[in-house]
Amino acid sequence: QKEVEQDPGPLSVPEGAIVSLNCTYSNSAFQYFMWYRQYSRKGPELLMYTYSSGNKEDGRFTAQVDKSSKYISLFIRDSQPSDSATYLCATINNAGNMLTFGGGTRLMVKP
Amino acid sequence: GAVVSQHPSWVICKSGTSVKIECRSLDFQATTMFWYRQFPKQSLMLMATSNEGSKATYEQGVEKDKFLINHASLTLSTLTVTSAHPEDSSFYICSAVDRGNGIYEQYFGPGTRLTVT
Repeated sequence: QKEVEQDPGPLSVPEGAIVSLNCTYSNSAFQYFMWYRQYSRKGPELLMYTYSSGNKEDGRFTAQVDKSSKYISLFIRDSQPSDSATYLCATINNAGNMLTFGGGTRLMVKP
Repeated sequence: GAVVSQHPSWVICKSGTSVKIECRSLDFQATTMFWYRQFPKQSLMLMATSNEGSKATYEQGVEKDKFLINHASLTLSTLTVTSAHPEDSSFYICSAVDRGNGIYEQYFGPGTRLTVT
C-alpha cells in the first residue's frame, strides 16, 4: 500500500463548479500536509500547508484534514479554467526530512 | 513563497554527451535539495537527495555514476547527466527545502526539459 493515495482522474468540471480533490494516507503519525498545483511542463507550486486536523482557507481554496479517517481534501470554489492542472497532495515523512507525494489528480475546468 | 530557479529550462543534446542542470534557491538557504524526474502524464519520481557538503543519497534504481549531483553551496545544486542517451529524455525538476520559519517548506524549480537525440 502506498503511503499517500490519490485518484489520478482526470476530473472534468464546468466553470464555476465546486471541486473536491482528495487523498488518503496510511501513517497516522503524519501531521503536516500540503497541496501542490502543477501546470503542464512546469514545476509544482505550493498552494496550501496545513498542520494536524482542521480547515485552512486561502481565497477560493480550502484545505481540510481529517486525521481520524486519514483523509485530506482540497476544495476549490468558483473553479476557473485557469485552475486546470494536476494537484498533488503531500505529507512530511516521520523523519521530517522529505515529502511523500500522492500520484496527483488531473483537473480540467471547462469554460 | 520562496523562489527556486533552474537552468537551463530546455536543452537538446546528442547521445553520448553530458548535460549539467543547475538548481538555485534565490532567497533562502537550502541544506537539502531534491532532484526529481517526471515523464509525460506521470507523477514525480524522486531520484536523489542532495545535502550541502556531503554526498547525495540516491533512490533505488538510479545510477549514481550516471546522474552526478553536487551540492557545493547552500544555494546551488547541480545535476549532471553523463553520457546521455535518448531514454534519459525527460523533465527534470529540482526542489529545495526552506526551514527558515521553523517549519518544513519545500519549493520546486520550474523544471528542465532534456531531449537527447
